Amino acid sequence: DGGITQSPKYLFRKEGQNVTLSCEQNLNHDAMYWYRQDPGQGLRLIYYSQIVNDFQKGDIAEGYSVSREKKESFPLTVTSAQKNPTAFYLCASSIGPLPGYGYTFGSGTRLTVV
Amino acid sequence: AQTVTQSQPEMSVQEAETVTLSCTYDTSESDYYLFWYKQPPSRQMILVIRQEAYKQQNATENRFSVNFQKAAKSFSLKISDSQLGDAAMYFCAYRSIIQGAQKLVFGQGTRLTINP
Repeated sequence: DGGITQSPKYLFRKEGQNVTLSCEQNLNHDAMYWYRQDPGQGLRLIYYSQIVNDFQKGDIAEGYSVSREKKESFPLTVTSAQKNPTAFYLCASSIGPLPGYGYTFGSGTRLTVV
Repeated sequence: AQTVTQSQPEMSVQEAETVTLSCTYDTSESDYYLFWYKQPPSRQMILVIRQEAYKQQNATENRFSVNFQKAAKSFSLKISDSQLGDAAMYFCAYRSIIQGAQKLVFGQGTRLTINP
C-alpha cells in the first residue's frame, strides 16, 4: 500500500543532542513537508521541499535542518539549537503542482527531551 | 501571508445531533483551496472535505458538509447525525494555488467531543 512512514513513533533526546526523524513515502509525490504540532497552536510548518535537492524554510525553521537527496525521503534533524523541541512532528507529502489534492500525512513522531 | 482562525477550541455535541465548527481565513487571493482535516486520538490526519474557492457550490461528503462564504472568508464544517467515531481534533486549512506558495496553512484546531 502507498503511504508515508515516519519513524520512530516515540523518540527521547537528551539535552544538547541532535536527533533525526525519518520520513519515507512511496506515493511518488514531488513535495514533502514537516510540521510541528503543539497543544493549542495547530500545525506549524518547519521545512518543505518541492523537488529533490531543494528545500525551503517554513515559519519555524530555527534549530532544524533537512535534506532531500531522494524523492522518497525527507529526514528532519532537530539540533541542539532548538530550545524547545518537545512536540509532535508530522511529515506530509503532496503531488506537487496540484493544490486541490491536499496532503497525505504520516502517523507522526513524538519527541521528548529528557 | 494567509492566516486561518478557528475560534472554538472545544465543542461538544450529543450523539446523533448536528454540530457546526467555525473557520475564518484571511487572504488577498481570488482562487484557493480550503480543507477540513480530522485528527482522531491516533493522531493520524485524515482529509474530511475540500472546497475550491472558484466553485460556489458547497462541498458535501456523506454526513459532512461545508458552508463556504467567500465574501465573508468563512468556511464552516457541519457534521450531521454525529457519531462517536467523529470525536477528534478538527483542523481547517488553506492552500494557495500560486506555484511555489502551495503549503497548507492550518488553524489552531477545534476539539470535538461526542456525548453518548
